[in-house]
Amino acid sequence: EPEVTQTPSHQVTQMGQEVILRCVPISNHLYFYWYRQILGQKVEFLVSFYNNEISEKSEIFDDQFSVERPDGSNFTLKIRSTKLEDSAMYFCASGGGGFVGNTIYFGEGSWLTVV
Amino acid sequence: SQQGEEDPQALSIQEGENATMNCSYKTSINNLQWYRQNSGRGLVHLILIRSNEREKHSGRLRVTLDTSKKSSSLLITASRAADTASYFCATDHSYGNNRLAFGKGNQVVVIP
Repeated sequence: EPEVTQTPSHQVTQMGQEVILRCVPISNHLYFYWYRQILGQKVEFLVSFYNNEISEKSEIFDDQFSVERPDGSNFTLKIRSTKLEDSAMYFCASGGGGFVGNTIYFGEGSWLTVV
Repeated sequence: SQQGEEDPQALSIQEGENATMNCSYKTSINNLQWYRQNSGRGLVHLILIRSNEREKHSGRLRVTLDTSKKSSSLLITASRAADTASYFCATDHSYGNNRLAFGKGNQVVVIP
């Protein structure tokens, strides 16, 4: 079965440092997403990306966050100046898109710990 | 924003029993998806049910959707120890973007 892959699986960073989380979505998918899950809480939507631009973002996705699809396969989430409250599991996801609705596949996640 | 909301349950059942969990939401949906998450791991997709569908099966899983009540249920039949996990429903209220809104999850423990 096709899968979404994420790296790193775990990263510890100092507060104020920049972090880049990387994802390889499923190859024929059109929509890409980042979600996060703070320990013990709900999975929260951050941003969706389609046709090389952000299609929707949540209120969590403020100016310290950015996404990029630098080439045909990778999709990255950058956090410019990390805060303690950014500590969470970050999930990348991809889907075929469309109005009917398609299965959204998630990666294994990247644990980010900000100290 | 409207979100899927599971009944806040922590189920503990014996292997072989059935497990049922529920999810409700507030506004109309395109589809609803159920996911499983083992502790500290990724979200594994289980079933997608569209708004015009009432029931779907996949192996030992059965999902129902009642759009008049804005609720869904996930039934796991003949549970196994390996079914021990958290189960989330996620609702898609968008048109084309497929943005998902997740519930809080149900912890299911299957005792061997």
